Amino acid sequence: QVQLVESGGGVVQPGRSLRLSCAASGFTFSSYGMHWVRQAPGKGLEWVTLISYDGRNEYYADSVKGRFAISRDNSRNRMYVYLQMNSLRPEDTAVYYCAKGKGRGKWQQLVDYWGQGTLVTVSS
Amino acid sequence: DIQMTQSPSSLSASVGDRVTITCQASQDISNYLNWYQQKPGKAPKLLIYDASNLETGVPSRFSGSGSGTDFTFTINSLQPEDIATYYCQQYGDLPRPITFGQGTRLQIK
Repeated sequence: QVQLVESGGGVVQPGRSLRLSCAASGFTFSSYGMHWVRQAPGKGLEWVTLISYDGRNEYYADSVKGRFAISRDNSRNRMYVYLQMNSLRPEDTAVYYCAKGKGRGKWQQLVDYWGQGTLVTVSS
Repeated sequence: DIQMTQSPSSLSASVGDRVTITCQASQDISNYLNWYQQKPGKAPKLLIYDASNLETGVPSRFSGSGSGTDFTFTINSLQPEDIATYYCQQYGDLPRPITFGQGTRLQIK
């Protein structure tokens, strides 16, 4: 059973940094691309970033490029994906979801499982 | 970036009705179009992938069609548990960003 559990959210001042973590279980983690998708309060879904199954390729939305960085740990006993968020802005306030890609190739972009999300609030 | 325009933004229907939501891409995306359901306070759930493929475990009253720039999502015989917001999502040739439609909020009349 696929499980994705996010942590690390909270209240942070503008300009500061925060790192989110996502613990994965129930699937062969090292075989799938992983995403972060966010949702501002009362708003729609916004894709943030994708990391390939092997960590070699990273892709970002223009709104976070240069400020956010995704990474992953494919160790057998430590299946995690991270989102390092720097230079945070009030418009980054959102629930951040960790999500799993459905397969390889183009299908890594297709999200088939989501975590429950962690709230990040950027406010002074 | 490819823009996805969903319509309507909200709709109200009765139990048993057939409901249709459309999604239009700003350029040709072939069949790289997915549909998600998000219930209040919950994470989204994949319903349809690659325009018309039903995800495992999803009831057959949900269906999708289309290709190129115009896509349709249909619920045959609306059920009370289908109350949710529905999103389309396009994907394709990375590093082109993945984008979602703005969502369609479905309510029971």
